[in-house]
Amino acid sequence: GESVGLHLPTLSVQEGDNSIINCAYSNSASDYFIWYKQESGKGPQFIIDIRSNMDKRQGQRVTVLLNKTVKHLSLQIAATQPGDSAVYFCAENIQAGTALIFGKGTTLSVSS
Amino acid sequence: ETGVTQTPRHLVMGMTNKKSLKCEQHLGHNAMYWYKQSAKKPLELMFVYNFKEQTENNSVPSRFSPECPNSSHLFLHLHTLQPEDSALYLCASSQGEGSEAFFGQGTRLTVV
Repeated sequence: GESVGLHLPTLSVQEGDNSIINCAYSNSASDYFIWYKQESGKGPQFIIDIRSNMDKRQGQRVTVLLNKTVKHLSLQIAATQPGDSAVYFCAENIQAGTALIFGKGTTLSVSS
Repeated sequence: ETGVTQTPRHLVMGMTNKKSLKCEQHLGHNAMYWYKQSAKKPLELMFVYNFKEQTENNSVPSRFSPECPNSSHLFLHLHTLQPEDSALYLCASSQGEGSEAFFGQGTRLTVV
């Protein structure tokens, strides 16, 4: 089975709200995690990454939190905008020198 | 534009046809990947090439045949496909295997 998964397949929010998208991973040896955004008709695009020696990393309007104790990863989007509507995937690198493993996506819908 | 270009964007083929998908990256990366994306499933890793050598083959049926003539180009040769092979095929590249992957727009394949 897959190593990385997301808790909710869909998330609907109002414009301006903060969004939180969650991901649980099962391999405690994973040391690198990435969040990707995929808009309709496009390939996944990198949003933000985090290594296992950190528990928080911030970007522009996005924050990734890593809780290694419970093997949980989350993506927080501040002041969500309609352009944030997309499918969001988390991915992990289980072992150095191997390819990223992706979980199922969460579809974020933002209404104005 | 991510620096990874896939052609064609759309392809319809019969089960007896032979076709090829092409991927080209202009990022100077050493690793290239083929992923399959079906509805309601995580991205499935198919093949990995690192410095033109195939390093991973995730039990992909032989009707899919990859080719990597150099570090910038990756092909996926298709032969005698089944309708269940209809999906979005994504190419990606990264500096090293397991690091941040940059994706192309994908080829939407329909097998009739």
